[in-house]
Amino acid sequence: DGGITQSPKYLFRKEGQNVTLSCEQNLNHDAMYWYRQDPGQGLRLIYYSQIVNDFQKGDIAEGYSVSREKKESFPLTVTSAQKNPTAFYLCASSGGGIETQYFGPGTRLLVL
Amino acid sequence: DQQVKQNSPSLSVQEGRISILNCDYTNSMFDYFLWYKKYPAEGPTFLISISSIKDKNEDGRFTVFLNKSAKHLSLHIVPSQPGDSAVYFCAAPASDSGGGADGLTFGKGTHLIIQP
Repeated sequence: DGGITQSPKYLFRKEGQNVTLSCEQNLNHDAMYWYRQDPGQGLRLIYYSQIVNDFQKGDIAEGYSVSREKKESFPLTVTSAQKNPTAFYLCASSGGGIETQYFGPGTRLLVL
Repeated sequence: DQQVKQNSPSLSVQEGRISILNCDYTNSMFDYFLWYKKYPAEGPTFLISISSIKDKNEDGRFTVFLNKSAKHLSLHIVPSQPGDSAVYFCAAPASDSGGGADGLTFGKGTHLIIQP
């Protein structure tokens, strides 16, 4: 059963702590994306990767980092430099080009 | 500045009637548009798309209309059903090239409420 998995569903971060959100896909998609959703807002692009070992900043990359060591995996680290990390984080993948992006179930990050 | 705008935060429609969700855009270079449906605490699911070479695309109860001169698109749902209650996002490719490979830019969404 192909799809995108994100873990954990909820994540708590303490002040000054880095946390990593997991995203895995078994759709054999080349491109992967991270978006952030805040209440009453649309999704905003954080980072994207069109191919393994390459990634690009999106509109709101400050305070975040990513890696793309494997085609199936695109983890997102929320660093202590991200001053307002509380949000719903969504990972997506696509075959590239104009192909539709498919989303995972999301991770809600909360700050303690 | 938002390039994709959904100016109605919410819309209430009676079950069985038509739901019309609107979306405006500012970038005339956009050549592809998508609609996503989202339930609370879940990821968005793809609903329907339209290429700029078309002015209409239909899939079952869902039809998207594109008016390029007005930079406006709309999603029609007929007939509306209780399961259609969700937030609907309009989206377009984030860059003028790449067709979406560089990510999507989203509107703020419209919360559709279907009343029995």
